Amino acid sequence: AQTVTQSQPEMSVQEAETVTLSCTYDTSESDYYLFWYKQPPSRQMILVIRQEAYKQQNATENRFSVNFQKAAKSFSLKISDSQLGDAAMYFCAYRSVRAGGTSYGKLTFGQGTILTVHP
Amino acid sequence: DVKVTQSSRYLVKRTGEKVFLECVQDMDHENMFWYRQDPGLGLRLIYFSYDVKMKEKGDIPEGYSVSREKKERFSLILESASTNQTSMYLCAIGRYSYEQYFGPGTRLTVT
Repeated sequence: AQTVTQSQPEMSVQEAETVTLSCTYDTSESDYYLFWYKQPPSRQMILVIRQEAYKQQNATENRFSVNFQKAAKSFSLKISDSQLGDAAMYFCAYRSVRAGGTSYGKLTFGQGTILTVHP
Repeated sequence: DVKVTQSSRYLVKRTGEKVFLECVQDMDHENMFWYRQDPGLGLRLIYFSYDVKMKEKGDIPEGYSVSREKKERFSLILESASTNQTSMYLCAIGRYSYEQYFGPGTRLTVT
């Protein structure tokens, strides 16, 4: 079974600075997807960024980028030019590529990291 | 915009009550999921459904059941609520694409 670990329960950053959230995972599969989700205090979980394991290039979405190290099974999220609206709980998640059987797109989540942004 | 709605944002029930949590989608997605979210544990999958009347157990199905009679609606049932089922419950939907879309969550308190 796959596991996802976020070792930082809480992080903080000054507005306009850069912060990196860590995530490691364990899997025996060679192809999979990784995600970062954001859950603001209003509680609606939204997708921040995704990475396909077969792609060597790190995904980027505006101020959000990842550092995907497949051999090390590491998937960190970098937030540049942090804004007050970035304050949220961030979850790292894993999904198998296999669409059938008991996976059916099931996500395995890490424990979450609470990000505080100071003005 | 993808819309996933859950029947209640906050719910307070007594031990032993039967509790229904409902999730409705407007996106015609095949897959629907129920997670519970607890501090320090992240989200854990309770049950999921990949078609009408089809369901599969997730990682923590004990004490829960589900129903999917229509494609757009997926219900989570607590047959006899217990205090250890006090939690945030999140519904999600997905297709055979990458991401899942989440509802706003239901904060359930069992006293």
